[in-house]
Amino acid sequence: RKEVEQDPGPFNVPEGATVAFNCTYSNSASQSFFWYRQDCRKEPKLLMSVYSSGNEDGRFTAQLNRASQYISLLIRDSKLSDSATYLCVVNEDTGGFKTIFGAGTRLFVKA
Amino acid sequence: DTAVSQTPKYLVTQMGNDKSIKCEQNLGHDTMYWYKQDSKKFLKIMFSYNNKELIINETVPNRFSPKSPDKAHLNLHINSLELGDSAVYFCASSQDGRYRATFGSGTRLTVV
Repeated sequence: RKEVEQDPGPFNVPEGATVAFNCTYSNSASQSFFWYRQDCRKEPKLLMSVYSSGNEDGRFTAQLNRASQYISLLIRDSKLSDSATYLCVVNEDTGGFKTIFGAGTRLFVKA
Repeated sequence: DTAVSQTPKYLVTQMGNDKSIKCEQNLGHDTMYWYKQDSKKFLKIMFSYNNKELIINETVPNRFSPKSPDKAHLNLHINSLELGDSAVYFCASSQDGRYRATFGSGTRLTVV
């Protein structure tokens, strides 16, 4: 089983749609969780951290379920500029913190 | 002011050559990383350093040797380059390792 697994994608949605990304992780001792965004031929950039209580940043909502080892990202009212690859990221404490990236889910938002 | 800078941005070289990629961060972070993103876009950690000490070394051929002269720099030297080494290499840093990482813009390595 992969350490961090995401929906394979790609997701093709019209502008204004709501889209949800799911992610599961295998190590129950994982410490911190993030969603990153990567545009084509660019570096990954932090979109948001994910907290146990759930957190929202504008149109983006992230949720964490530690019992199920599951992370989600919801994007409401999709914009063309949301088109990118979304990466689920987990930090494990293995004596030193190890950051593990999911394979990413590609999102295409169409006009 | 660039937070994590790596050079060069592009590197095209022949098989068998030795090359280095440099990385510097001005964020005052304690932890630095090297990641490899292959043609399938999968981003995989290679090395992690905390305060100049190696703390994570994934299964990477020993042709790859990281060097951290101080906590603001983490360079990657690659010996005897192979075609399969072609990828984008990202340097990143974070405070303490448990917090979010900031990435450099990547070095696109092409081995011909």
